[in-house]
Amino acid sequence: DSGVTQTPKHLITATGQRVTLRCSPRSGDLSVYWYQQSLDQGLQFLIQYYNGEERAKGNILERFSAQQFPDLHSELNLSSLELGDSALYFCASSADGATNEKLFFGSGTQLSVL
Amino acid sequence: DAKTTQPPSMDCAEGRAANLPCNHSTISGNEYVYWYRQIHSQGPQYIIHGLKNNETNEMASLIITEDRKSSTLILPHATLRDTAVYYCIVIGNNNDMRFGAGTRLTVKP
Repeated sequence: DSGVTQTPKHLITATGQRVTLRCSPRSGDLSVYWYQQSLDQGLQFLIQYYNGEERAKGNILERFSAQQFPDLHSELNLSSLELGDSALYFCASSADGATNEKLFFGSGTQLSVL
Repeated sequence: DAKTTQPPSMDCAEGRAANLPCNHSTISGNEYVYWYRQIHSQGPQYIIHGLKNNETNEMASLIITEDRKSSTLILPHATLRDTAVYYCIVIGNNNDMRFGAGTRLTVKP
């Protein structure tokens, strides 16, 4: 158990809908990362937050947004969903998001868009 | 951050050492080499990391060449549970950890 909690584990929705994925980092970790893993794209870095502020941005679509709240949990919002958004979404956390820190990953949310 | 190159797949016999190579010829002096693995569809798991010196922990050993342009992850006694995708990543001034395709290691009985 990595200490990172992601909910829900599975989500099935329809095209055009909006969903919210939730992540609770390990106790004491200030930085949260979101990744998307689809069969044809591998693990894609989406975005990183540190103590409520966006720190790094990767291949995140404009239809997607994220935030980190004062209690340090994070949410990833996916809107106007398309079939191609079906993927595993992972959250990871680290102590302060600085150099030379290992990431601890949650078990992921499997999103299926039908 | 430097790019890495790994073989797409490797096999290893159970009980033998698994040696997974990684090329990172454009690595900079302040960049670390990290290894993670992903078993089936679970979240990636940290294995080991290093800067210049060889490193060892309870899971594996990391051998980094003197010029730092390549490294090898060694699982000393591979078991069936070590079957996974292994990712070699080079990290610089931030913790923006971008994963490549990795090496799919299959441990066979």
